[in-house]
Amino acid sequence: QVHLQESGPGLVKPSETLSLTCTVSSGSINNHYWSWIRQPPGEGLEWIGNIFYNGITAYNPSLKSRVTILVDTSKNQFSLKLSSVTAADTAIYFCARLVRFYPTYWFDPWGQGTLVAVSS
Amino acid sequence: DIQMTQSPSSLSTSVGDRVTITCRASQNITYHLNWYQYKPGKPPKLLIYAASGSQSGVPSRFSGSGSGTEFTLTISSLQPEDFATYFCQQSYSTPLCTFGQGTKLEV
Repeated sequence: QVHLQESGPGLVKPSETLSLTCTVSSGSINNHYWSWIRQPPGEGLEWIGNIFYNGITAYNPSLKSRVTILVDTSKNQFSLKLSSVTAADTAIYFCARLVRFYPTYWFDPWGQGTLVAVSS
Repeated sequence: DIQMTQSPSSLSTSVGDRVTITCRASQNITYHLNWYQYKPGKPPKLLIYAASGSQSGVPSRFSGSGSGTEFTLTISSLQPEDFATYFCQQSYSTPLCTFGQGTKLEV
């Protein structure tokens, strides 16, 4: 059973860069799509972006100018960087595997999520 | 963007109740609708994919139906472990998917 675990600082200062890593265990990162999703307090979920194991990415247009998602197949990890953060970026950040079953798709499994607060 | 609206946002329920949660899309998404269960501190769990497909290992009391713009998740007989937040997600648009706001089941 593939397991995902997010890791990274729980507190980031405004204007700095949020950096998170998702470690994939009990399964290979190869040949799959991987995603980052977030949930601000009291709000719904927001898709941030995807990465294929070969490095091809897709980002939410609303965040595209600030987001970078990378993959490290040697470590079975993928990462998220979100630059110039503000309080509006405070959220629970989830990583997930995107399962494509053409022509549809879904997210399974997910990590448990990590809370990142943006505050000075 | 396709907007997803769930109702109700919260629901007071009891063990044994039949529960129905609705998700409406702002445009026709055919069958591209998934349902998840979320308990804080645990990974969100896929329950239903493609509107009515049951994910392996999910109890049979969970079922999904609908197409086009209106979808429902039904729990036939609520169990204590089902108190959680449920949210829908449309996968009609690629790669930009969107989620409903969630429905919290409370005692």
